[in-house]
Amino acid sequence: GQQVMQIPQYQHVQEGEDFTTYCNSSTTLSNIQWYKQRPGGHPVFLIQLVKSGEVKKQKRLTFQFGEAKKNSSLHITATQTTDVGTYFCAGDDYKLSFGAGTTVTVRA
Amino acid sequence: DGGITQSPKYLFRKEGQNVTLSCEQNLNHDAMYWYRQDPGQGLRLIYYSQIVNDFQKGDIAEGYSVSREKKESFPLTVTSAQKNPTAFYLCASGGGNQPQHFGDGTRLSIL
Repeated sequence: GQQVMQIPQYQHVQEGEDFTTYCNSSTTLSNIQWYKQRPGGHPVFLIQLVKSGEVKKQKRLTFQFGEAKKNSSLHITATQTTDVGTYFCAGDDYKLSFGAGTTVTVRA
Repeated sequence: DGGITQSPKYLFRKEGQNVTLSCEQNLNHDAMYWYRQDPGQGLRLIYYSQIVNDFQKGDIAEGYSVSREKKESFPLTVTSAQKNPTAFYLCASGGGNQPQHFGDGTRLSIL
């Protein structure tokens, strides 16, 4: 079955720095979704990418879908303490397969 | 998320006991899902339902059961056959190339 892998599992970032988290699928995806889960909370939808090579931006967050539609990335610039949480990617249709997530901590 | 209500927030299970987690949505979504999350890990799909009176097993369905008698409701029963039930359980609705909306979750522990 489809598997979605995320790296790194943990990301410790100095406030103000940039970082990227990556998502790789064993199969071609029809779309990919990104979610953010704050500590103690539930996942909240951030964005969906559908087209090959698609790039979308949300303020300091840039999401990219690979040309082969098997990988995706999330790049955060000028990290803030509000960025703390776990970022999940999830691929495919009704039966979304979630990656294990990248847990982000920020050093002030 | 607004529109998805899970209850209770915390639940304790005794040995050999079945417990039922409630999930209600008013978003008019056809599809509903149950996930299990263990500390520091991702979401694993237990069961999902694309339409009333129909549901499918996910990746870790053993020891769990569900029903979908109404569009708005998708309760999950954790049976005594589930030997390691301690986890955070999340219900969601949506899907089918659309975003999933999650409830606040239920934390289940063993007494």
